[in-house]
Amino acid sequence: SQTIHQWPATLVQPVGSPLSLECTVEGTSNPNLYWYRQAAGRGLQLLFYSVGIGQISSEVPQNLSASRPQDRQFILSSKKLLLSDSGFYLCAWSRQSGGGTQYFGPGTRLLVL
Amino acid sequence: RKEVEQDPGPFNVPEGATVAFNCTYSNSASQSFFWYRQDCRKEPKLLMSVYSSGNEDGRFTAQLNRASQYISLLIRDSKLSDSATYLCVVELTGNQFYFGTGTSLTVIP
Repeated sequence: SQTIHQWPATLVQPVGSPLSLECTVEGTSNPNLYWYRQAAGRGLQLLFYSVGIGQISSEVPQNLSASRPQDRQFILSSKKLLLSDSGFYLCAWSRQSGGGTQYFGPGTRLLVL
Repeated sequence: RKEVEQDPGPFNVPEGATVAFNCTYSNSASQSFFWYRQDCRKEPKLLMSVYSSGNEDGRFTAQLNRASQYISLLIRDSKLSDSATYLCVVELTGNQFYFGTGTSLTVIP
């Protein structure tokens, strides 16, 4: 069966500090991978998605970036965090064939102070 | 215009009640449709896919109306454990999923 991991689970960072969130998927190959952010009381906002190693599409211009160094690894980064980066960050995967569902990791709760 | 729109609620219903949520989507090329459930401070989890002919899973019934571009979820005989936020999700292509902001449901004893 497939599993998706995210870490860390929670993070408190000062404004201006860097960020690195990691997501890994097990039990499947060549998945589509996604990063979402959910601000308090709001819906999920798609940040990045990837259809393969090194292939990243950005949905929203901002100070975040994503990388996919391996087939089942997806990393979300920032060089300098802003207060507005606080939120619940969710990684998800889906099958390449489309027409299927997304499966979410447990998320990382980020608070920027 | 948002890709997916939902009534945020909250819906507060007594145990045993029937409750319905609606969701509209803007892109007629949307291919697949889903309802997800999200508990407080947790990740969304798939509740059910929505098929053109409508589908049922126990107390949950999902309907799709392509002509009017809306999706519905009906919950019968509500349980306390049904309290959560229900997210409507639309897939445009194999890579693009759009989420509604969610409808909050609280089932009251």
